[in-house]
Amino acid sequence: DTGVSQDPRHKITKRGQNVTFRCDPISEHNRLYWYRQTLGQGPEFLTYFQNEAQLEKSRLLSDRFSAERPKGSFSTLEIQRTEQGDSAMYLCASSYSGTEDSPLHFGNGTRLTVT
Amino acid sequence: AQSVTQLDSHVSVSEGTPVLLRCNYSSSYSPSLFWYVQHPNKGLQLLLKYTSAATLVKGINGFEAEFKKSETSFHLTKPSAHMSDAAEYFCVVSGRSFGNEKLTFGTGTRLTIIP
Repeated sequence: DTGVSQDPRHKITKRGQNVTFRCDPISEHNRLYWYRQTLGQGPEFLTYFQNEAQLEKSRLLSDRFSAERPKGSFSTLEIQRTEQGDSAMYLCASSYSGTEDSPLHFGNGTRLTVT
Repeated sequence: AQSVTQLDSHVSVSEGTPVLLRCNYSSSYSPSLFWYVQHPNKGLQLLLKYTSAATLVKGINGFEAEFKKSETSFHLTKPSAHMSDAAEYFCVVSGRSFGNEKLTFGTGTRLTIIP
């Protein structure tokens, strides 16, 4: 169990630029989640996948945000035309959904700073 | 809809004394409830979870939580604090009964341990 891996750990970008983050879940996990955490707050749900299907999206996920999980393994989260309000920690988590759900395992996150 | 309220944003205790972190929940379903811990620059780690089995749930590192339906509470306790317990703690409720989808996090309680 190598854990959930996120890349990069930190990203600084200028307002208006596009950014893409990657998440590699635990290999046998079929569910993958994205959360966003701003300073002093708890993580907020953005979206989740079961295998390659994106099953739910939060209203927080504006049309500038898109997430994919093309082969049901790793996932990418892209933010287009970044705004200063997008500055946050973006967390990825994975779990196994079967006869009994496993708990979510979180990665260490990607910290985005928009200047 | 579901939500959790963490009643204290910051708790300080002396090493070796009991810890109490308070959480009240609101849920339309029979809830699944969790406590997660976040150490600085580390990913979120599951401490314990309640899914309608025993109301007293034992977790890792000596932590326990008791589900009290009449009080809609799920407080986290530990008999004796250790310096390594200093971290941010999140009370979490799931969006569906017994499922992992769409976890809703509280705003967190920062636990400080006084030597």
